[in-house]
Amino acid sequence: KAGVTQTPRYLIKTRGQQVTLSCSPISGHRSVSWYQQTPGQGLQFLFEYFSETQRNKGNFPGRFSGRQFSNSRSEMNVSTLELGDSALYLCASSTGQGLEQYFGPGTRLTVT
Amino acid sequence: AQSVTQLDSQVPVFEEAPVELRCNYSSSVSVYLFWYVQYPNQGLQLLLKYLSGSTLVKGINGFEAEFNKSQTSFHLRKPSVHISDTAEYFCAVSERSSGSARQLTFGSGTQLTVLP
Repeated sequence: KAGVTQTPRYLIKTRGQQVTLSCSPISGHRSVSWYQQTPGQGLQFLFEYFSETQRNKGNFPGRFSGRQFSNSRSEMNVSTLELGDSALYLCASSTGQGLEQYFGPGTRLTVT
Repeated sequence: AQSVTQLDSQVPVFEEAPVELRCNYSSSVSVYLFWYVQYPNQGLQLLLKYLSGSTLVKGINGFEAEFNKSQTSFHLRKPSVHISDTAEYFCAVSERSSGSARQLTFGSGTQLTVLP
């Protein structure tokens, strides 16, 4: 089985722009979670989608949003980028009932 | 709400020596416990998990961890490390009540460096 894939792997954006990151889960997995990893704040949960519905949400501003498509692929959008949004964004998939999450390699976003 | 404390940010150890990476958690509800490893420029890989039953759990690559409910700890151990174990290790918890590990709360990580 192919693992979790994330595109793009690297991204450079300018402050004020918006960005969309993509995540394709493992085949058969219906749950996709997103995490932000920064040196200062560590790993923080953004949100989780299951069957196209946001099931859980972390403590991030409304500039961070996401969605999930019928094929379980998920996108994450960040609007009005700030320098502090520079981070590694990790996507994880699971069956939805399972207790294991499988992580992708991440998208490294740099905001200048 | 839960919190996870990894007591050591960096652990240097010589090759073939034993290692213990410490993790303590705080939660008002029962939790599931996990250890993940992250190699440079990669995502997280699950090493092992505690869900229920035996408090000693074995994972991949020769790692094991012991759940201690009274001390709210879940320390990771390996009897003999290799150079290839050099990586960052994260302890994580999720609420049992959710029925699934939907939201992981992570510790700040421990950088394990294995020296030749």
